[in-house]
Amino acid sequence: DAKTTQPNSMESNEEEPVHLPCNHSTISGTDYIHWYRQLPSQGPEYVIHGLTSNVNNRMASLAIAEDRKSSTLILHRATLRDAAVYYCILIRQGAQKLVFGQGTRLTINP
Amino acid sequence: DAMVIQNPRYQVTQFGKPVTLSCSQTLNHNVMYWYQQKSSQAPKLLFHYYDKDFNNEADTPDNFQSRRPNTSFCFLDIRSPGLGDAAMYLCATSRVWGVYPGEQYFGPGTRLTVT
Repeated sequence: DAKTTQPNSMESNEEEPVHLPCNHSTISGTDYIHWYRQLPSQGPEYVIHGLTSNVNNRMASLAIAEDRKSSTLILHRATLRDAAVYYCILIRQGAQKLVFGQGTRLTINP
Repeated sequence: DAMVIQNPRYQVTQFGKPVTLSCSQTLNHNVMYWYQQKSSQAPKLLFHYYDKDFNNEADTPDNFQSRRPNTSFCFLDIRSPGLGDAAMYLCATSRVWGVYPGEQYFGPGTRLTVT
């Protein structure tokens, strides 16, 4: 599985945008980019995914670099409830399993 | 609401005493997963079922086994728990079809303590 690299931690303020980076320089053409997050004392939850184009949903936006070697998860207006560990995971087309890296621990200041 | 349910939420067992954790889902998903998450670490996949096909990860200890009697239920059996098996155990499901790896839906987890 191709590897992802994320900062160990990030900090932001409530009601401000947050940009969470992920590097995946060895990504292959059939790898999907998935983001999950894990709130304290809960199981992980799906956030968003993309293949080549930028994606938006009710939770976040995903910006994918043109060469696909990096991506950024964007929380447009962070709330305290967004404090979590965010995982960027590559999943090959046809694969069924997630391989979690260490993720980014996001702290939101009031 | 459709969901992934894990029982119990907290389980205490004794060293060496077999324990079973259960997971049920109302999503009718064809794939079910078991993850182990130790303190301050990321979840680690133990095994998964694609329908009735069992897929074990290469580094999952033999001490861990699983059963999936039907689409809705999946069990994790730890035959002889050691102190190092204390962890949060997460069950997840996904609907996989064609080549797209579907989103996974996780339960709240069962926290296992071994005394």
